[in-house]
Amino acid sequence: NAGVMQNPRHLVRRRGQEARLRCSPMKGHSHVYWYRQLPEEGLKFMVYLQKENIIDESGMPKERFSAEFPKEGPSILRIQQVVRGDSAAYFCASSPQAVGETQYFGPGTRLLVL
Amino acid sequence: DAKTTQPNSMESNEEEPVHLPCNHSTISGTDYIHWYRQLPSQGPEYVIHGLTSNVNNRMASLAIAEDRKSSTLILHRATLRDAAVYYCILRLLYGGSQGNLIFGKGTKLSVKP
Repeated sequence: NAGVMQNPRHLVRRRGQEARLRCSPMKGHSHVYWYRQLPEEGLKFMVYLQKENIIDESGMPKERFSAEFPKEGPSILRIQQVVRGDSAAYFCASSPQAVGETQYFGPGTRLLVL
Repeated sequence: DAKTTQPNSMESNEEEPVHLPCNHSTISGTDYIHWYRQLPSQGPEYVIHGLTSNVNNRMASLAIAEDRKSSTLILHRATLRDAAVYYCILRLLYGGSQGNLIFGKGTKLSVKP
């Protein structure tokens, strides 16, 4: 049973470009969470999605960031017009159900904005 | 979610037991105590969780104080591969739409050969 998959593992973008991060949850998991980890800091929750629905986006920056989890295909975290402060590791986690369930994390995408 | 307090760092020798403490004095009756760890350059991984009784699994043991205001993660024989940041997290069993984990700073465990 494959674990949570994220791609790309490393992404380099110049300021102003767009970054698209993909997350394929574990088989049978319909809940996806995105977290961001800035250098030398802890993980911060960004957004929680179920298939075709955003359940909680309280941790998402108000501008430039968006997330989706379509009926088919991976979850996508999209960052428009990236700035240097967006450089971080972005982790995706999935769970079969939401509340109280163990979350299984992917290896992360390390975004570097030049 | 209630707050947890952990030491910033701890050191251990290889093949010796390690006791990682966590204080959670404001824990509520419906909070589960979860532990995750993050190895260098990897995503977090689940270690163990419990409510009131002590718990054991293949990775570790979790000892929960009788008043539930503190808990201790026990690694019975530390290996070099156990060097990681360990996070103690409280999660509601029934929390409505709040499914996310709230990570603190955790305890950075160093293991010496």
